[in-house]
Amino acid sequence: DAKTTQPPSMDCAEGRAANLPCNHSTISGNEYVYWYRQIHSQGPQYIIHGLKNNETNEMASLIITEDRKSSTLILPHATLRDTAVYYCIVRVNRAGGATNKLIFGTGTLLAVQP
Amino acid sequence: GAVVSQHPSWVICKSGTSVKIECRSLDFQATTMFWYRQFPKQSLMLMATSNEGSKATYEQGVEKDKFLINHASLTLSTLTVTSAHPEDSSFYICSAQQTGAGNTIYFGEGSWLTVV
Repeated sequence: DAKTTQPPSMDCAEGRAANLPCNHSTISGNEYVYWYRQIHSQGPQYIIHGLKNNETNEMASLIITEDRKSSTLILPHATLRDTAVYYCIVRVNRAGGATNKLIFGTGTLLAVQP
Repeated sequence: GAVVSQHPSWVICKSGTSVKIECRSLDFQATTMFWYRQFPKQSLMLMATSNEGSKATYEQGVEKDKFLINHASLTLSTLTVTSAHPEDSSFYICSAQQTGAGNTIYFGEGSWLTVV
């Protein structure tokens, strides 16, 4: 079973920031938080990941609470092409092995409105 | 990010036949690859973990004799659906772990299988 909970859906106005929450209250000390998104009928796309510090890349920012029990993915200026299902996943980050696997929950359907 | 490619993108086959789907990591070596299937309006379900040079590890409820996985090289894993039935029709997605560089997992574009 997925170890994260996310709201099933969210709306966001085009050009505004989209803030997607994720709860992972049972996260272990060696588990990272990963975010992927899936646009309809495509494979998931990697967005960002982090352990305890906030992270930023060209796609998004990841804010992880100090107790690591929740996080927020921020898309700073959402566009229509950001409409997708966003998945928050916790995972041990190491080379090889079945324990490395990504288990997907139901994710959040983000609908960016014009 | 790193590139993972699947082939074919879509395939139609007759009931009782077998079909092979290829997954390649194009610009990195992947000792571990993963296979998922996804039904319409559902999330991805992990089928198996494929390790280069060894047997795949299947998730509970996935028939290993029906879904044959071969990971013979560091850049290629294949999934063969044997004796396909209409209920095997689904979206099959592979992913590959980039060893080092954060051990990030990247996904292919997916393959649509329709069994008629």
